[in-house]
Parts: sequence; C-alpha cells; structure tokens
Amino acid sequence: QSALTQPRSVSGSPGQSVTISCTGTSSDVGGYNYVSWYQQYPGKAPKLMIYDVSKWPSGVPDRFSGSKSGNTASLTISGLQAEDEADYYCCSYAGSYTVVFGGGTKLIVL
Amino acid sequence: EVQLVQSGAEVKKPGESLKISCMGSGYNFTRKWIAWVRQMPGKGLEWMGSIYPGDSETKYNPPFQGQVTISADKSIGAAYLQWSSLKASDTAMYYCARLTTLTTPFDYWGQGTLVIVSS
Repeated sequence: QSALTQPRSVSGSPGQSVTISCTGTSSDVGGYNYVSWYQQYPGKAPKLMIYDVSKWPSGVPDRFSGSKSGNTASLTISGLQAEDEADYYCCSYAGSYTVVFGGGTKLIVL
Repeated sequence: EVQLVQSGAEVKKPGESLKISCMGSGYNFTRKWIAWVRQMPGKGLEWMGSIYPGDSETKYNPPFQGQVTISADKSIGAAYLQWSSLKASDTAMYYCARLTTLTTPFDYWGQGTLVIVSS
C-alpha cells in the first residue's frame, strides 16, 4: 500500500485558483468515492476540508472544491487567500478497511 | 461540542514502554471509530489503525501491525496507543481522530501527542 502521489508544492497569488492533484491506483482513489482532503497549519492538527470526493463539511468555504477523474483526485482552491497557505493532504479508502494518505502538498501564497 | 483531548508530550529512552491516550467527549464514544495517525518530523500523515470502542474491534495498517497496540476503555471514553519497546524511529507526533465508519473521513482530530525517543 503506497502513499498517494501529490506535488510537493504549489503556489499562487491572492485571488487566483490553484489545483492540487492526488494520484493513486484503481485499488484506492480510482476504486472508491471516498477521497478526503485535509488542511494542516504548522504545529496544528489536520482539519477536514473535503470528503467523499466533493462534499463540504459544515463551516468550510465553497472556495474549496474537490473532484476525481480515474485514479486522480483534485482539490481546487479558488479566490486564493493568504490564510490558505498550509499543507494539504489527500486520503483515500483503499479497501479491506484500510486508508492511505498522500505525501502532502505545501501551498504557497505569493 | 465534540472534543478529542490527548495526553501530553513524552520523552522516553529506547527500549522503554509507553501508552498514550485520547479522551473523547461531546458524542457517543462507543458508536464512532477512533483512528491513530503518525506524523514523523517534517513528514506526511500515516494511518496506523482504528478501533471501535463499542466492541474493541481493531483494524491495523499492516506496517504497524505488531509494532503498536491500539485499545480502548469505553467506560471512561478513552482510546490508547501503546508501545512495548520504543525505538528512536518512533519519534513523531501522534494524532487521534474520529470517524463514523471505516469508509468515512476523519472528522474531528485531537491536538496531537509528541513522542520523543532518545538515549
């Protein structure tokens, strides 16, 4: 069970949109609609931002959106704000009651 | 309000044992799974395993099977992560997190417990 593949970093200017990809296999991302995304600030616990590929938990702004195509899931952040600078992790159910995380992506707001 | 409160930071020597805790409140503790997630220094998140406090059914991520023990005491609303013989490579931040079923997301997280293993 290998970690899902994410870019190490992405960047964008305030107001722009950025997309973070998360590539797995047909045994995880491609096989189930159970992809979630987490935001983590340095020294803090992760926070759920998107679940079941594209659903929002209560309180998460709709600037954050999720999608999936084949074995790759994506998190898009529109109207980028300085406060969005953080690490982002994808996570997928991988069958047999196991889950796998991505390696994480550092979002830099220029 | 749902809360997961973890025990404090620990500094241990290699070979020592350790048990850290995660106390849940604000919901029916016996009806939701609790997972443990490791984050080594400067690294990403790794799912270690999950436990259902209602009946203590436990699922382990294979790399962690046999390396740690996950348990729960539903009478006091606590989940535990335990090592019998720590290694330097166990140095990490450990988070507990709640999930409704094994396919649902981690919706609430504890604040983390830092474990440092050093001689």
